[in-house]
Amino acid sequence: ETGVTQTPRHLVMGMTNKKSLKCEQHLGHNAMYWYKQSAKKPLELMFVYNFKEQTENNSVPSRFSPECPNSSHLFLHLHTLQPEDSALYLCASSQVHQGSTDTQYFGPGTRLTVL
Amino acid sequence: AQKITQTQPGMFVQEKEAVTLDCTYDTSDPSYGLFWYKQPSSGEMIFLIYQGSYDQQNATEGRYSLNFQKARKSANLVISASQLGDSAMYFCAMREVLTGNQFYFGTGTSLTVIP
Repeated sequence: ETGVTQTPRHLVMGMTNKKSLKCEQHLGHNAMYWYKQSAKKPLELMFVYNFKEQTENNSVPSRFSPECPNSSHLFLHLHTLQPEDSALYLCASSQVHQGSTDTQYFGPGTRLTVL
Repeated sequence: AQKITQTQPGMFVQEKEAVTLDCTYDTSDPSYGLFWYKQPSSGEMIFLIYQGSYDQQNATEGRYSLNFQKARKSANLVISASQLGDSAMYFCAMREVLTGNQFYFGTGTSLTVIP
């Protein structure tokens, strides 16, 4: 039980669909993250939210749109995806302090397949 | 340059034996943290162990220990008394204080425990 939940766990969508991934953390953390994990590649950081403000966007295509309505919830809105976007999408949270190296805790991931 | 290097794509170990998973890192930040995560086939990234750059002692958590050799910039994970449930992907990660919230992950090592 890591305290970070993600829904759905599996998602199959066509290239013209619009869908959203949801992440919720129950750990009282103030930072949340989206990662993409493709086969045989390191985890790719997509977005970082710190105190609900987006602090990083690592050149992610605009077909991925994050939303962080509060410090406990994080969404990833998907539209007009490409087959190469098929991957495991992992959400994580951590408590951020000035000058700290806090652990990130991950959710179970959403396995996305784009047809 | 790669921040985290894991040179063993796959490892095998006999049940009840110890195994060492290699990790080297690259940073010029004097303050950083090193992490190991386990990812079973279900996809969830499970935090195992943490080592701070200023920690004098090697970190230990149950059957997991981190062999921290700062001068060599290595942070190998040692799993003692391997169990069948240890079969999974293992990822080494680093967080630098100066770069804020970003974690850098290696490509992972697939561990298979043989009965």
